[in-house]
Amino acid sequence: EAAVTQSPRNKVTVTGGNVTLSCRQTNSHNYMYWYRQDTGHGLRLIHYSYGAGNLQIGDVPDGYKATRTTQEDFFLLLELASPSQTSLYFCASSHWDTQYFGPGTRLLVL
Amino acid sequence: GQQVQQSPASLVLQEGENAELQCNFSTSLNSMQWFYQRPGGSLVSLFYNPSGTKHSGRLTSTTVIKERRSSLHISSSQTTDSGTYLCALERLQQGTGSKLSFGKGAKLTVSP
Repeated sequence: EAAVTQSPRNKVTVTGGNVTLSCRQTNSHNYMYWYRQDTGHGLRLIHYSYGAGNLQIGDVPDGYKATRTTQEDFFLLLELASPSQTSLYFCASSHWDTQYFGPGTRLLVL
Repeated sequence: GQQVQQSPASLVLQEGENAELQCNFSTSLNSMQWFYQRPGGSLVSLFYNPSGTKHSGRLTSTTVIKERRSSLHISSSQTTDSGTYLCALERLQQGTGSKLSFGKGAKLTVSP
C-alpha cells in the first residue's frame, strides 16, 4: 500500500505567522494533493500537482501556496496565517485512480 | 453549489444491522470513490467505482451513472465499523488531471 507521511502532525502558530506543512510519498505517484477538513464542509481541495515543478489550483486556494520540489515531496505554505486556516490538513497521492491519504496535520492559528 | 450530496449525515445502528449510505451527484464524473475515516482522523480507501457494483467483504458499492447516485452498503455491522464514511466524485480534466469533490460525510455509530 502507498505510504504517505506528513509533518508536523500538530502545529500551533499565531496570526500572521509563517507555516510550512510537509508531505512525502514513497511510491512514485504522479499526483499529490493538499486538502483541508472542517466541520460542516468535508474535505476541500486546496492545491494539487501532477509532477515535480507542476502546481494546479484547487477549490479553496486563497491564502495558500504550494510547491512540488520532487516526485516525492509536496509542501503547503501559509505565509500569513489567519484563524480561519485552523483546520485538519491532509495530503494524498495517487497514480491514476485511488488516492492514498497521509495521517493529517492539525493546525491551530491563534 | 455542492456537487456531491451525501445522506444520511449520521446513523446509529445496533451491531448486526445493515447500513445504506447514499451519495447523489449533480455533475458528470469519471468515478465515485468511497473512503472510511477512522475516529482518529486518517482516511482509508474502500472503493474506486466508476460504475456498477463492487464487493469487498461485508461492503458493497454501487454506482449508477444515469441516476447520478452511488451507494455504500454495510452488512452485519460491527462496532469496529464506527467512524465516518465519505464519498468523493472524481473528475478528470484534460491538462489538469484528476480532482476529487467530497461529500460532507456520514457518521456511523454501531452499538454492541
